[in-house]
Amino acid sequence: KAGVTQTPRYLIKTRGQQVTLSCSPISGHRSVSWYQQTPGQGLQFLFEYFSETQRNKGNFPGRFSGRQFSNSRSEMNVSTLELGDSALYLCASSNRKFNGYTFGSGTRLTVV
Amino acid sequence: AQSVTQPDIHITVSEGASLELRCNYSYGATPYLFWYVQSPGQGLQLLLKYFSGDTLVQGIKGFEAEFKRSQSSFNLRKPSVHWSDAAEYFCAVGLLEEYGNKLVFGAGTILRVKS
Repeated sequence: KAGVTQTPRYLIKTRGQQVTLSCSPISGHRSVSWYQQTPGQGLQFLFEYFSETQRNKGNFPGRFSGRQFSNSRSEMNVSTLELGDSALYLCASSNRKFNGYTFGSGTRLTVV
Repeated sequence: AQSVTQPDIHITVSEGASLELRCNYSYGATPYLFWYVQSPGQGLQLLLKYFSGDTLVQGIKGFEAEFKRSQSSFNLRKPSVHWSDAAEYFCAVGLLEEYGNKLVFGAGTILRVKS
């Protein structure tokens, strides 16, 4: 079956702009989580969605937001981009809690 | 606070040699533990997981890990490394929180394989 699909794979944005990233989970998976990966901070949890509801949120400013649709697809949005937002953004889906998250290939965001 | 420590930032092993990557965690309850591998520019692939039961777990690609509660460790091992194993490896603990779940990752260990 198809894995977790993230689009786009690469993005270049200018400071102050906003960006929307998309994630399609594995069919049947209802939990979608987002992680930010940077060389300095490593892998950090952003938020988790389950059945269109945000269940958990990491320690990120309000510029980072997300949502989940009825088909379990998820989007995350970053407004007023800063240079420090440059990172690999990873989406992960799961069918049951901690049954092993399946990660997508990520979206590489570069802010210039 | 919950945390995961991977003491080795880089490890270099010869092809065919054995491998052990260290992972220590800090968590009050019984942990859910994972090892993931990441190739350059790619996402994370699950190698293996421990939830309960047998403390020696087998994973994909010939990897295994042993959970030792007394040492708060979950070290990853492979008896014979192949050049294709060169990648970055992440240990993670899964947290069950009142309003959702998340993974806390270690900083990662970069594995280099020399021929």
